[in-house]
Amino acid sequence: DAGVTQSPTHLIKTRGQHVTLRCSPISGHKSVSWYQQVLGQGPQFIFQYYEKEERGRGNFPDRFSARQFPNYSSELNVNALLLGDSALYLCASSALGDTQYFGPGTRLTVL
Amino acid sequence: SQQGEEDPQALSIQEGENATMNCSYKTSINNLQWYRQNSGRGLVHLILIRSNEREKHSGRLRVTLDTSKKSSSLLITASRAADTASYFCATADYGGATNKLIFGTGTLLAVQP
Repeated sequence: DAGVTQSPTHLIKTRGQHVTLRCSPISGHKSVSWYQQVLGQGPQFIFQYYEKEERGRGNFPDRFSARQFPNYSSELNVNALLLGDSALYLCASSALGDTQYFGPGTRLTVL
Repeated sequence: SQQGEEDPQALSIQEGENATMNCSYKTSINNLQWYRQNSGRGLVHLILIRSNEREKHSGRLRVTLDTSKKSSSLLITASRAADTASYFCATADYGGATNKLIFGTGTLLAVQP
């Protein structure tokens, strides 16, 4: 079975631009979560979606938004990019309440 | 903010030796999970231990959980060079409808061949 997939692998943007990151969960998983990992730190929770509804939101500004589609794939959008948004963005899928399985991540660099 | 701390921050051992990493957390939990991360790539799930369990084994991995001390340890026996990675503990809090993981700061393990 395919694991969690994310696209793109790497992305370079400039300050003020907008970015969209994509995630496809493991087949049968209805929950998708997004995490941000800054270099040298552990991942920080951004959002969780289940059955297309937002179930949780971490301490991130409104520039961060996400959505989940009927096929349970998800997008993370970040507006008005700042240098501090440079990070590895990780997507995880799970059956709700169970182990979360992570994708390979999208490395975002903001110049 | 991080839930807790891993200790040590970095660990260097020789192949064949055992590696022990500790994790402390702050709030009550439903379960605690350990993940491995190679060179800034995605996280690989290693083992999950529930709050009513005290010890769990998976291959060369042994995890303990002490909820009274809010701490956990991960033991990797007979380490290999391929075990070189960062290791994170993550606590799961199912408060409300959210299934979020709160990660520690990580232990960087280097296994010398």
